[in-house]
Amino acid sequence: QQPVQSPQAVILREGEDAVINCSSSKALYSVHWYRQKHGEAPVFLMILLKGGEQKGHEKISASFNEKKQQSSLYLTASQLSYSGTYFCGTEDGQNFVFGPGTRLSVLP
Amino acid sequence: DTGVSQDPRHKITKRGQNVTFRCDPISEHNRLYWYRQTLGQGPEFLTYFQNEAQLEKSRLLSDRFSAERPKGSFSTLEIQRTEQGDSAMYLCASSTGPPENYEQFFGPGTRLTVL
Repeated sequence: QQPVQSPQAVILREGEDAVINCSSSKALYSVHWYRQKHGEAPVFLMILLKGGEQKGHEKISASFNEKKQQSSLYLTASQLSYSGTYFCGTEDGQNFVFGPGTRLSVLP
Repeated sequence: DTGVSQDPRHKITKRGQNVTFRCDPISEHNRLYWYRQTLGQGPEFLTYFQNEAQLEKSRLLSDRFSAERPKGSFSTLEIQRTEQGDSAMYLCASSTGPPENYEQFFGPGTRLTVL
């Protein structure tokens, strides 16, 4: 079952912060975050594993609430290069499924 | 390593024709995934391989779709009797381990347009 992402879209000014949320109705083993720029392939940002381990980009932070099956991606002091669509991917032990995406636009 | 490559990058075909796409993963990656992505949506899982074995296939994948990875290296995705609804970006990804704890590296995709 596809995870739910919120918001669907967000517009920021350079330097502002944003939070993107991802939630699932299933118990999760891990949550992945990817960013896709227009016309390009998705690029890996971070994995959050059940049990608290994280692997990923040093400048991006995220949390994973295992009890609520929710993850949040924190983008601080946003830069123009952060613009793109952010996808979470959830692994429940049987299926790996991407969410519908959150479109982030950072304006100068 | 040059990353995941896909060929062709664009394919325009007429309804009813067969098409085949190729994916070359990162050389040491034993896992290979195929996804389909339409405008404004996330990548939709189609199938995945561990080495040459096809471990999982989406229920959304009709019998017109078939994928192979004959020697555990490159993979092909064939769509028979294409329909207009098959128009999408077809993405290939590879990884060194299972999806629960290994990142996937995506190729640039093959954009299919069915007229």
